[in-house]
Amino acid sequence: NAGVTQTPKFRILKIGQSMTLQCTQDMNHNYMYWYRQDPGMGLKLIYYSVGAGITDKGEVPNGYNVSRSTTEDFPLRLELAAPSQTSVYFCASSDSGTGYSPLHFGNGTRLTVT
Amino acid sequence: DAKTTQPPSMDCAEGRAANLPCNHSTISGNEYVYWYRQIHSQGPQYIIHGLKNNETNEMASLIITEDRKSSTLILPHATLRDTAVYYCIVANNNAGNMLTFGGGTRLMVKP
Repeated sequence: NAGVTQTPKFRILKIGQSMTLQCTQDMNHNYMYWYRQDPGMGLKLIYYSVGAGITDKGEVPNGYNVSRSTTEDFPLRLELAAPSQTSVYFCASSDSGTGYSPLHFGNGTRLTVT
Repeated sequence: DAKTTQPPSMDCAEGRAANLPCNHSTISGNEYVYWYRQIHSQGPQYIIHGLKNNETNEMASLIITEDRKSSTLILPHATLRDTAVYYCIVANNNAGNMLTFGGGTRLMVKP
């Protein structure tokens, strides 16, 4: 299993540009999440999904959109990039079975908006 | 979810036990204690979790006080590869696992 795969690894955007951060997982997990991590800080939840077709806002959703058309994929869309969105973005997934299912994280996308 | 307090940084000698404390005095009865770590530039990695009993796995041990207001993560024989930021998180065990990652403790294992 590849686990959680994020692309691209790095990206530089100009203010006002848009882009989609890709995330895919091959573990058949129902739950998927997007977090952002600013330098020296913890992770903040942007959006999450409990299954295909279902998404919901996390702590810091403004400026982002998500979709979940398949179990495997959970792309994050930035429509009008702003310098405040410079961050490292982590995608994660977890199972929905009984008992605790740990979060499995990708290795992140490092985004700079200038 | 209850808030946690961790020291911002700690040092440990290679081969010695690393004991990472966490205070969670407002933890409620249905909330678990979770530990994750983040090695530089990588996504966080799950370590261990517990409710009230002490837990041990191949990575670490988790000691939770009887009143559940604090806990300690123990890495029994720290190696240089254990250098990372360690996050203590308190949350209930509902499906969805929307965990809140705070600042964590930056553990530096030194030779």
